[in-house]
Amino acid sequence: AQKITQTQPGMFVQEKEAVTLDCTYDTSDPSYGLFWYKQPSSGEMIFLIYQGSYDQQNATEGRYSLNFQKARKSANLVISASQLGDSAMYFCAMREGERQGAQKLVFGQGTRLTINP
Amino acid sequence: EAGVTQSPTHLIKTRGQQATLRCSPISGHTSVYWYQQALGLGLQFLLWYDEGEERNRGNFPPRFSGRQFPNYSSELNVNALELEDSALYLCASSPGVGSGTGELFFGEGSRLTVL
Repeated sequence: AQKITQTQPGMFVQEKEAVTLDCTYDTSDPSYGLFWYKQPSSGEMIFLIYQGSYDQQNATEGRYSLNFQKARKSANLVISASQLGDSAMYFCAMREGERQGAQKLVFGQGTRLTINP
Repeated sequence: EAGVTQSPTHLIKTRGQQATLRCSPISGHTSVYWYQQALGLGLQFLLWYDEGEERNRGNFPPRFSGRQFPNYSSELNVNALELEDSALYLCASSPGVGSGTGELFFGEGSRLTVL
């Protein structure tokens, strides 16, 4: 069964608009972590934001925020005021199990975001 | 602080040959992960090493193997290369069991092309 589902293969957004990238996940573990990574054309995976399953508040990091809806098992990434440099692949990922670090991350198939000037 | 470094950046091999990819984790990190990213696809988990031992393995045939050295660097070996092994191989490191959120720090990858 797919653990992480990203239903948008591609998104096109005008510069300065906000954009929401969808991510749903599947787990029976009560403790888990959700991550978003950005992959520009260079190939490197850049960490953007983290949300723990027990965190009460939605995570925010600068222009990035995570819309965490636990009951719906969704963890959408919101990018405010998009910039041309935001054009990249975006991956949602999940770590299952207790917060001990070093468990593997399972990644979704990604969404290619293109920001138009 | 130096990030995760991988070598070579690009590697071209022919079917049936062997490929060796190398990874140096961030200083202080004891866990190393290998992921395969075929063109246009997501990341598929290959291997996880921590403190010199293989901790977990993804759904890949035995011709994918690796090891972690006492200095925590790692190498990934792919034997009897097949055309579908062509991919970007990403190495990541983390501080290890018992610390952090589980965030992985990635290198820029090694692109393997099998002709």
